[in-house]
Amino acid sequence: AQSVTQPDIHITVSEGASLELRCNYSYGATPYLFWYVQSPGQGLQLLLKYFSGDTLVQGIKGFEAEFKRSQSSFNLRKPSVHWSDAAEYFCAVAGNAGKSTFGDGTTLTVKP
Amino acid sequence: ETGVTQTPRHLVMGMTNKKSLKCEQHLGHNAMYWYKQSAKKPLELMFVYSLEERVENNSVPSRFSPECPNSSHLFLHLHTLQPEDSALYLCASSLSLLEGEQYFGPGTRLTVT
Repeated sequence: AQSVTQPDIHITVSEGASLELRCNYSYGATPYLFWYVQSPGQGLQLLLKYFSGDTLVQGIKGFEAEFKRSQSSFNLRKPSVHWSDAAEYFCAVAGNAGKSTFGDGTTLTVKP
Repeated sequence: ETGVTQTPRHLVMGMTNKKSLKCEQHLGHNAMYWYKQSAKKPLELMFVYSLEERVENNSVPSRFSPECPNSSHLFLHLHTLQPEDSALYLCASSLSLLEGEQYFGPGTRLTVT
């Protein structure tokens, strides 16, 4: 069975500081991995995805993520956070056809 | 319109009412999904449709009844709901079942009184 763990429920960073959100997955083969962002009252928006190839993937809004097979991780990073990045972030793994498993989410608060 | 749209955006209903949620995707996708998102709980996959056929039903109570008349439209029919069914209901679509990348609508905020 596939699963995703986001160890941090809530993270607070200062505007302009760097950000790293952690994601660990469990899946027997090479997974498809995703990061989504959800602003209050909205649906989820895809930030980036990893299918194969280069383990460092670039996404929208200046985000990137690195796939590390040895650590079963897919952490999301941003070098300089903006106040508009405050939202909830979900990591997801897709393996079995038609089924993405989502983590519980990490809420990001940005301090001015 | 583009992307995935959902109507209504907000719905308040009594436990004896019958209502329907509508989802429409303008992306030419073949797979559509219903999710339930409750406060303090992970995203719950409810139903999956591929080419208008239901391929997954995750032990959802029968008071929720999905319908997919074509690959662009997905409905969730609601009847005799319980207060614990209050949640954000999200619709999503993907190019196919093999494509894990999903596009989400803005959701319907449902309150059951």
